[in-house]
Amino acid sequence: DAGVIQSPRHEVTEMGQEVTLRCKPISGHNSLFWYRQTMMRGLELLIYFNNNVPIDDSGMPEDRFSAKMPNASFSTLKIQPSEPRDSAVYFCASSQNRVYGYTFGSGTRLTVV
Amino acid sequence: AQKITQTQPGMFVQEKEAVTLDCTYDTSDPSYGLFWYKQPSSGEMIFLIYQGSYDQQNATEGRYSLNFQKARKSANLVISASQLGDSAMYFCAMSTPNTGNQFYFGTGTSLTVIP
Repeated sequence: DAGVIQSPRHEVTEMGQEVTLRCKPISGHNSLFWYRQTMMRGLELLIYFNNNVPIDDSGMPEDRFSAKMPNASFSTLKIQPSEPRDSAVYFCASSQNRVYGYTFGSGTRLTVV
Repeated sequence: AQKITQTQPGMFVQEKEAVTLDCTYDTSDPSYGLFWYKQPSSGEMIFLIYQGSYDQQNATEGRYSLNFQKARKSANLVISASQLGDSAMYFCAMSTPNTGNQFYFGTGTSLTVIP
């Protein structure tokens, strides 16, 4: 199994531009989570899906952020328009059973200049 | 509300020695899971160990063990025979079924293994 695959690994963009982060969860995992990690705030849950349905998006900072999971093998996190304070590492994680914890992707390091 | 507290921002340990990383938690849910993750400088998050709230015995995975003290609401990670490759950030996390199994993470402890 290739694990949770995130793309791109690094993204540098100008303020105001649209940014799309992508995630392919592990096959068979029915839960998918998007986290943001910064030095100031640590790991924050943005949104999670269960069986492709968004369950809790209360962590999404504002309307500029949106997430979709059109099928069991793909999810996107979009920021439009991006701002410098969105600079962070964004992790996607998937899970089949909480006993085994999450499997995290390698993360996308986003820099908005 | 669920809460995870890690009070040690940084720890140092001599190679081959054991080290304990502290974690306390707070939840009113009777069923919960406790996890430890390792984040090396390369950035990936690596699952280390899991302890269920109803588990009678402390979890162990190789050199990792979880010292689970339910009454004290603590779930400390013990790393035995430290290796240089253990230098990393370590995060304690909790999940509960009543919150959709989302994870609540602590702020992390930076461990440095000294040769």
